[in-house]
Amino acid sequence: LAKTTQPISMDSYEGQEVNITCSHNNIATNDYITWYQQFPSQGPRFIIQGYKTKVTNEVASLFIPADRKSSTLSLPRVSLSDTAVYYCLVGDPAQTGANNLFFGTGTRLTVIP
Amino acid sequence: DAGITQSPRHKVTETGTPVTLRCHQTENHRYMYWYRQDPGHGLRLIHYSYGVKDTDKGEVSDGYSVSRSKTEDFLLTLESATSSQTSVYFCAISEWTGTSINEQFFGPGTRLTVL
Repeated sequence: LAKTTQPISMDSYEGQEVNITCSHNNIATNDYITWYQQFPSQGPRFIIQGYKTKVTNEVASLFIPADRKSSTLSLPRVSLSDTAVYYCLVGDPAQTGANNLFFGTGTRLTVIP
Repeated sequence: DAGITQSPRHKVTETGTPVTLRCHQTENHRYMYWYRQDPGHGLRLIHYSYGVKDTDKGEVSDGYSVSRSKTEDFLLTLESATSSQTSVYFCAISEWTGTSINEQFFGPGTRLTVL
């Protein structure tokens, strides 16, 4: 089962780069890695997705090593509005069943002025 | 934002009563999900649907049933609510992107309190 493990919390100052790592030792061959952001009283929001190496979009980068047992979400130059909980998701119910879909407990990022 | 609504948004009920939560989408997405979110546990999948009348159990399905009689609606039922089912419930939808179905769009959530 592709359970995920993330640090519970992180603090960062405004303007710094933040890296959040997720461990997923039992990731399946066909699984993609997806990251979400959640603000209080809202549902999670998709940030980025990748399979291997590096993916970059307008808000974040995702680094995935060759063994795919972990992934790192990188947020460049964070601002106060990036204060949120960040989740990594692995497991594809369409391929390996719904009981192999895990969001994990998330990382609470606090950006300090 | 994706067209997903959840009803009710808040509900207080008593132990032993049946409760049904509704998720409605206007995106015609094939996949729909019900999650619960509790402090210290993050998001956990209850059930998911991969089409009309096609559903599968997730990590925490005990005590819950679902139905999907049409593409746009996914119902979550607690047959006999217990205090341990007090939680925030999120519905999500997704579609095949060519690589994965895990780019999910979430509804606003339903806060359920079982007394």
